[in-house]
Amino acid sequence: EDQVTQSPEALRLQEGESSSLNCSYTVSGLRGLFWYRQDPGKGPEFLFTLYSAGEEKEKERLKATLTKKESFLHITAPKPEDSATYLCAVQAASGGSYIPTFGRGTSLIVHP
Amino acid sequence: KAGVTQTPRYLIKTRGQQVTLSCSPISGHRSVSWYQQTPGQGLQFLFEYFSETQRNKGNFPGRFSGRQFSNSRSEMNVSTLELGDSALYLCAGGAGDSTDTQYFGPGTRLTVL
Repeated sequence: EDQVTQSPEALRLQEGESSSLNCSYTVSGLRGLFWYRQDPGKGPEFLFTLYSAGEEKEKERLKATLTKKESFLHITAPKPEDSATYLCAVQAASGGSYIPTFGRGTSLIVHP
Repeated sequence: KAGVTQTPRYLIKTRGQQVTLSCSPISGHRSVSWYQQTPGQGLQFLFEYFSETQRNKGNFPGRFSGRQFSNSRSEMNVSTLELGDSALYLCAGGAGDSTDTQYFGPGTRLTVL
């Protein structure tokens, strides 16, 4: 069974204080790993897709990296508007299903 | 390019009633997936439709059903509502292929009293 574990569950940062969120996964063949951002009361907003170990993608203050067992979402010099819940999901390569398995998310609060 | 739309955004029902939620994916997207999100369980997959056919199904009781129309719009129905059905119901659209990225709508907040 595919599993996704995100840590920490919650993270409080001061504005400008860089940090990383972790997503550990167990999947029978990884097709893709997704990062989403979700604001309260809204649907998840797509951030990145990573497909193979060693791959990295960046968007503004966010950088996502991937290894064979985990992914990190690095946040550089965060701002209060980066406060949100960050969700990680994996898509297995086997079984013909394209349905991703989601982690429980990391709730990030950035204080000004 | 218009995003994924869901209607209604908020809904209050009582136990035993039924409810129908609607989702329109981004134009050109043929896959629609439905998820239930609760504080206790996180995002849980309900089912996926592709070209009007249910392609995948999660582990939910038969009270939860859905369908997809030829224009890719999808509806989800929950019959005999229970208190535990209170949740944010999200739909996500995608191209439906092997490199699918799912684009979520804003959700429908269902409260069952």
